[in-house]
Amino acid sequence: EPEVTQTPSHQVTQMGQEVILRCVPISNHLYFYWYRQILGQKVEFLVSFYNNEISEKSEIFDDQFSVERPDGSNFTLKIRSTKLEDSAMYFCASSEGGLGPFNEKLFFGSGTQLSVL
Amino acid sequence: GEDVEQSLFLSVREGDSSVINCTYTDSSSTYLYWYKQEPGAGLQLLTYIFSNMDMKQDQRLTVLLNKKDKHLSLRIADTQTGDSAIYFCAESRAGGYQKVTFGTGTKLQVIP
Repeated sequence: EPEVTQTPSHQVTQMGQEVILRCVPISNHLYFYWYRQILGQKVEFLVSFYNNEISEKSEIFDDQFSVERPDGSNFTLKIRSTKLEDSAMYFCASSEGGLGPFNEKLFFGSGTQLSVL
Repeated sequence: GEDVEQSLFLSVREGDSSVINCTYTDSSSTYLYWYKQEPGAGLQLLTYIFSNMDMKQDQRLTVLLNKKDKHLSLRIADTQTGDSAIYFCAESRAGGYQKVTFGTGTKLQVIP
């Protein structure tokens, strides 16, 4: 079965540093997402991306965050100046698009554990 | 805003049935989902149900929806040790790319 690939699986960074989390969505999917899960808390929506622009973003997704699809296969999440509270598991997801739960079904990657020291 | 709540932990004996419960607040929810997360893995969609359905069965999994009470449950028959994981209830509205709102997850422990 096709899968969403995320790299790295673990990222350790110093507070204030920039990090880029990388994702390769499923090749024929049109919608891309980032979610995060702080330890012990809910999986939270960050942003959705379609047709090379942000479709929706949450209040968590402030000016420190940005997303990009630099080429035809990668989808990245950049955090410009990391804070301690950015430590979380970050999940990338993609969906085929169109109406209906099958088309909207999210395929998730296995996540990148970001630790900000 | 939307909210989804679940109990945090459930322990069952192998071979018994497991029932994981969930409540949600968004009356406009169109799809309700159950995701499974195994250690070190991503979120795997187990099953979903339309909001106009009461029940859906898929092999060992049975989903029950009480739309009036906004209550969703997942029953796993003949629970196996391989079913040990965190189970997330989630909801979304229809619309192509609508965000999915997740619950906190219920950790299911299956005792051999």
